[in-house]
Amino acid sequence: EVQLVESGGGLVQPGGSLRLSCEVSGFTFSTYWIHWVRQAPGKGLVWVSRIKSDGSYTTYADSVKGRFTVSRDNAKNTLYLQMNSLRVEDTAVYYCGRSPSLGATLLSWGQGTRVTVST
Amino acid sequence: DIQMTQSPSSLSASVGDRVIITCQASQDISNYLNWYQQKPGKAPKLLIFDASNLETGVPSRFSGTGSGTDFTFTISSLQTEDLATYYCQQYNDVPPTFGPGTKVDIK
Repeated sequence: EVQLVESGGGLVQPGGSLRLSCEVSGFTFSTYWIHWVRQAPGKGLVWVSRIKSDGSYTTYADSVKGRFTVSRDNAKNTLYLQMNSLRVEDTAVYYCGRSPSLGATLLSWGQGTRVTVST
Repeated sequence: DIQMTQSPSSLSASVGDRVIITCQASQDISNYLNWYQQKPGKAPKLLIFDASNLETGVPSRFSGTGSGTDFTFTISSLQTEDLATYYCQQYNDVPPTFGPGTKVDIK
């Protein structure tokens, strides 16, 4: 069974940092692109970032560029999202999802991890 | 960024009804269009990829058509378990963008 399990969310003050993880199982992690998508409370889906299967290529939404860094450890079947200089508007549920290519057709998603940026 | 619009923003229909949702892109995206279903409190689920292809395991009452800028998503016979918000998403360009969603309620 394909599984993606996010963790690492929580409450952080503006300007703070968090590192999210996405641990996967049930498929060959090293052959899939992985994306992060977020959803603010009561709002729609917004794409955040993607990383190539071998970790050699990354792309970011303008809203997080320079603040967020996506990485992966294929030996541990785990994806990471390092989030620095967090803003109130980064408050959201963060989902990881897998796609077979650089196009963002997200075949499966994790259950999400909640990030709250507040004083 | 490519802007995606959806219509309607919400609808209420009876079990067995045919439900149609439209999605429009701000520029030509060929068939690089997906549809996702998000049930309350859950992660999204891929239903249709490349505008008209049914994802494995998805009931055949769901379908999609279109290319270029105009797309349609249809539920041929609404079921109670279809209560959800439906999103279109383009991946012709970066960043991939989602429509605002259509919330489907059961009367």
